Amino acid sequence: DSGVTQTPKHLITATGQRVTLRCSPRSGDLSVYWYQQSLDQGLQFLIQYYNGEERAKGNILERFSAQQFPDLHSELNLSSLELGDSALYFCASSAWAGGGNEQFFGPGTRLTVL
Amino acid sequence: AQSVAQPEDQVNVAEGNPLTVKCTYSVSGNPYLFWYVQYPNRGLQFLLKYITGDNLVKGSYGFEAEFNKSQTSFHLKKPSALVSDSALYFCAVREGYQKVTFGIGTKLQVIP
Repeated sequence: DSGVTQTPKHLITATGQRVTLRCSPRSGDLSVYWYQQSLDQGLQFLIQYYNGEERAKGNILERFSAQQFPDLHSELNLSSLELGDSALYFCASSAWAGGGNEQFFGPGTRLTVL
Repeated sequence: AQSVAQPEDQVNVAEGNPLTVKCTYSVSGNPYLFWYVQYPNRGLQFLLKYITGDNLVKGSYGFEAEFNKSQTSFHLKKPSALVSDSALYFCAVREGYQKVTFGIGTKLQVIP
């Protein structure tokens, strides 16, 4: 158990809908990362937050947004969902923002868009 | 821009034999290098990392990796493979405070 929790575990929804994925980092970790994993794209970095502030942005679509709250939990919002958004979404946390900090991954949320 | 390559989609090895999973990287400065493992339907787990110092890094579950600056490689190794090592292995690189870039993953199959 990495200490990172993600809810829900599974999510099934329809095209055009909006969903929110939630992540609680390990106790004491200030940085949160979001990743999308699909069979054809591999593991894609979406966005990173550090202590409430956006720190780095990757291949995140405009339909997606995220935030980190004062209690350090984070939410990833996906809107106007398309079939191609079906994937595993991982949250990870690390103690600090960069450098040699390893990341600790949650179990993931499997999103299925029908 | 930083990048990482895992040239093998799959590596097959017999149980008890040594294993190597290859990784090469490209950065403009000094890299931080990581290996992670993913078991089916699970999140990634950290195995080991190279920051600086000794080129041979030891990690969890008997794994080790060798940092080779001249060949820009960071291959993962284990002297004796176990069936339970069968999983998806990811190499990752980071330069300073840049985002982490992950490789596409290598599936390790250990044959009993």
